[in-house]
Amino acid sequence: ETGVTQSPTHLIKTRGQQVTLRCSSQSGHNTVSWYQQALGQGPQFIFQYYREEENGRGNFPPRFSGLQFPNYSSELNVNALELDDSALYLCASSLDSPSYEQYFGPGTRLTVT
Amino acid sequence: GQSLEQPSEVTAVEGAIVQINCTYQTSGFYGLSWYQQHDGGAPTFLSYNALDGLEETGRFSSFLSRSDSYGYLLLQELQMKDSASYFCAVREGTSGSARQLTFGSGTQLTVLP
Repeated sequence: ETGVTQSPTHLIKTRGQQVTLRCSSQSGHNTVSWYQQALGQGPQFIFQYYREEENGRGNFPPRFSGLQFPNYSSELNVNALELDDSALYLCASSLDSPSYEQYFGPGTRLTVT
Repeated sequence: GQSLEQPSEVTAVEGAIVQINCTYQTSGFYGLSWYQQHDGGAPTFLSYNALDGLEETGRFSSFLSRSDSYGYLLLQELQMKDSASYFCAVREGTSGSARQLTFGSGTQLTVLP
């Protein structure tokens, strides 16, 4: 059984650019949630996908979008990057929508300059 | 809206007992989870309470009082490796919507020798 993996580990982008972050869920998990974690803060819920459909969204603008694929991998896309988007982006998979027990990946550290 | 409050920092010595409190305000409450995150690491699940009372898992215990919108994480026989950030997270949602996890800002626990 493999854990949750994310790529890339680190990324540097320029303001206004677009970025795609990737996540591979734990085997058998049908729900993936994405979080943004600023330094010294808790993870902030962006959205979650259950069986390839978005079924929950936090207080993030539409330029944050995502996809979940049949093999339970997923993507987070952010358009028109802003400096405040600099953060650690975490994905977490769980069985069902969502379980109280989520399995987090190591995260992608995004820096926007 | 929802909000969670927990102390920002707690310090204790090896072998001691420490309690991290969490109060919350939310609609559609389903339960309270606790996660641990070491510096540079991913959050890992510790415990979950859906009903009032105490849940014990080894050296860690978690308590919930739904009527008081209050919970705590109790760490016994503290070890140096317990130095980390601890997050409470409410599992919440409304009728017909998916459940989501909303995290607090975290409590930085420092264990001294």
